[in-house]
Amino acid sequence: AQTVTQSQPEMSVQEAETVTLSCTYDTSESDYYLFWYKQPPSRQMILVIRQEAYKQQNATENRFSVNFQKAAKSFSLKISDSQLGDAAMYFCAHKEGGYNKLIFGAGTRLAVHP
Amino acid sequence: DAGVTQSPTHLIKTRGQQVTLRCSPKSGHDTVSWYQQALGQGPQFIFQYYEEEERQRGNFPDRFSGHQFPNYSSELNVNALLLGDSALYLCASSGVGGTNEKLFFGSGTQLSVL
Repeated sequence: AQTVTQSQPEMSVQEAETVTLSCTYDTSESDYYLFWYKQPPSRQMILVIRQEAYKQQNATENRFSVNFQKAAKSFSLKISDSQLGDAAMYFCAHKEGGYNKLIFGAGTRLAVHP
Repeated sequence: DAGVTQSPTHLIKTRGQQVTLRCSPKSGHDTVSWYQQALGQGPQFIFQYYEEEERQRGNFPDRFSGHQFPNYSSELNVNALLLGDSALYLCASSGVGGTNEKLFFGSGTQLSVL
């Protein structure tokens, strides 16, 4: 069965500092997508960044970047220059196959302190 | 351009009752997926609708059913409600028959079963 594991239930960071959220996954496929979603108190899931497994280059979106280690099945999210608005639940998700069925981890709650 | 809209935002039901949740996809999207997010957990895939047919289904009992209309909007029905059905129900839409990996989520319906 596909699984996604986020081993950090909670993390905290000082404003303007850098924080890394961890994620590991299990799959037997060679082609798949990985995602990080942010869920603020408004409850809407917002896509932060995505990585295609066949691309070796790590994805980057402004202050957000990933460290994708395919052999280790690891997909961590680095947030640089953390802002108060980054405080939220962060979910790692994995998709394989042709359709958008995502498998989510249990989430990491990120607190940002001024 | 309206994103994914869900109604109602909150709902309170009692055990044994039936409930219907509604979702309008983002403009131009033809595929709707439903997820259940229990408190403190990541979303779990319930099912996906495309061309008015259920195309994929997660590990949920037959009490969970759905429908997609010709305008691509969708309903999620849950019969014989259990206390354990209390959760946030998220709708997500995507285009190109669901092969496009960009999922857009609504803000969810919070269902409480008493």
